[in-house]
Amino acid sequence: AQSVTQLGSHVSVSEGALVLLRCNYSSSVPPYLFWYVQYPNQGLQLLLKYTSAATLVKGINGFEAEFKKSETSFHLTKPSAHMSDAAEYFCAVSPKGTYKYIFGTGTRLKVLA
Amino acid sequence: DTGVSQDPRHKITKRGQNVTFRCDPISEHNRLYWYRQTLGQGPEFLTYFQNEAQLEKSRLLSDRFSAERPKGSFSTLEIQRTEQGDSAMYLCASSPLDGVDEQYFGPGTRLTVT
Repeated sequence: AQSVTQLGSHVSVSEGALVLLRCNYSSSVPPYLFWYVQYPNQGLQLLLKYTSAATLVKGINGFEAEFKKSETSFHLTKPSAHMSDAAEYFCAVSPKGTYKYIFGTGTRLKVLA
Repeated sequence: DTGVSQDPRHKITKRGQNVTFRCDPISEHNRLYWYRQTLGQGPEFLTYFQNEAQLEKSRLLSDRFSAERPKGSFSTLEIQRTEQGDSAMYLCASSPLDGVDEQYFGPGTRLTVT
């Protein structure tokens, strides 16, 4: 069965530092890939998505992710962290031919002043 | 466009009671999804509708759970004879029929079973 692994349930970075959140998926056929952010008491908000087009995907709030088929990865990055980036981030896959999402367990990002 | 809405936002119930949650998707979206999220975990897929047809159900959706979308608009999720293990956040999402399935999520209904 398809699965998603997010390494690091908690990540702390200093304000202005690089943010790197890791996501690996298991599939022989590259699925559609998504990153969502969840702020406290709010719904999941889409950051970006990979849909078989460009391998480097740019999203909202300065985030981007690179699809690497050889590594089955879709890591999320942001060059400079801001205090407002503190939230929980979820990687999700949607296997081609289905419509459901399979989510990772999430990474809680803390930004230190 | 007001987004996906869910009602209630919070529900506390006693074990053995039945509960029903409602989801109103974005008006032009044909697809509607239910997920369950427990503490420290990512959302887990429960079921999916295309218009009024329920096309996929997870094994997580036991016989005590039932979902409907009678006219292809809003949806309800009912849990009968609730158990403490049902305590979770129940998320609803919707997506349009065309294009890659970017799902739009509601704020969720937090269920606490005492």
